[in-house]
Amino acid sequence: GAGVSQSPSNKVTEKGKDVELRCDPISGHTALYWYRQSLGQGLEFLIYFQGNSAPDKSGLPSDRFSAERTGESVSTLTIQRTQQEDSAVYLCASSFPLGGANIQYFGAGTRLSVL
Amino acid sequence: DQQVKQNSPSLSVQEGRISILNCDYTNSMFDYFLWYKKYPAEGPTFLISISSIKDKNEDGRFTVFLNKSAKHLSLHIVPSQPGDSAVYFCAASAKSQGAQKLVFGQGTRLTINP
Repeated sequence: GAGVSQSPSNKVTEKGKDVELRCDPISGHTALYWYRQSLGQGLEFLIYFQGNSAPDKSGLPSDRFSAERTGESVSTLTIQRTQQEDSAVYLCASSFPLGGANIQYFGAGTRLSVL
Repeated sequence: DQQVKQNSPSLSVQEGRISILNCDYTNSMFDYFLWYKKYPAEGPTFLISISSIKDKNEDGRFTVFLNKSAKHLSLHIVPSQPGDSAVYFCAASAKSQGAQKLVFGQGTRLTINP
């Protein structure tokens, strides 16, 4: 497809389980970003990839969160031992930084509910 | 530390009138400002941006104004249409560790009444 694709669209899990969220960026976009939106809040930056490396992981809330990107394409965000406060919509965005405003294009997100 | 703030969680405007959405920021290092629009169950979509060296950018019905001395920007939509009903996010961009990272406000829910 032409846009950013995320899967699953919804995920319900039990506290303590691990979850894996997937992002397929727009083809050719070298930069990939993960954000999280908790209820009533703005988007919170989690991690940035340039190619397959992650120069900025400053937004990851704890060491239970990790992400990787392979082939300068697909990225997975893994949350281990999920907690109820991890419930949120996880959004992925990609861009092709050419200078200027670096417009990021977003997927529809994965809504994670931890019971 | 909320670097980008949208102080109005919601706004209701009559169809055909002007909608004005406001945003304040604290970091003078931001070099671009962007507005995104979000419908339920969809990701945010880019609307319009402005460089920190400009004070106005216009695109059709949408105009963004930047007041650097007040660290304030606003999005004007005129005339407002029912399809404009959505949550609007203000975002600011600063280069950090090689990335143009976006810092978002909390969003303003705009409702256009027929």
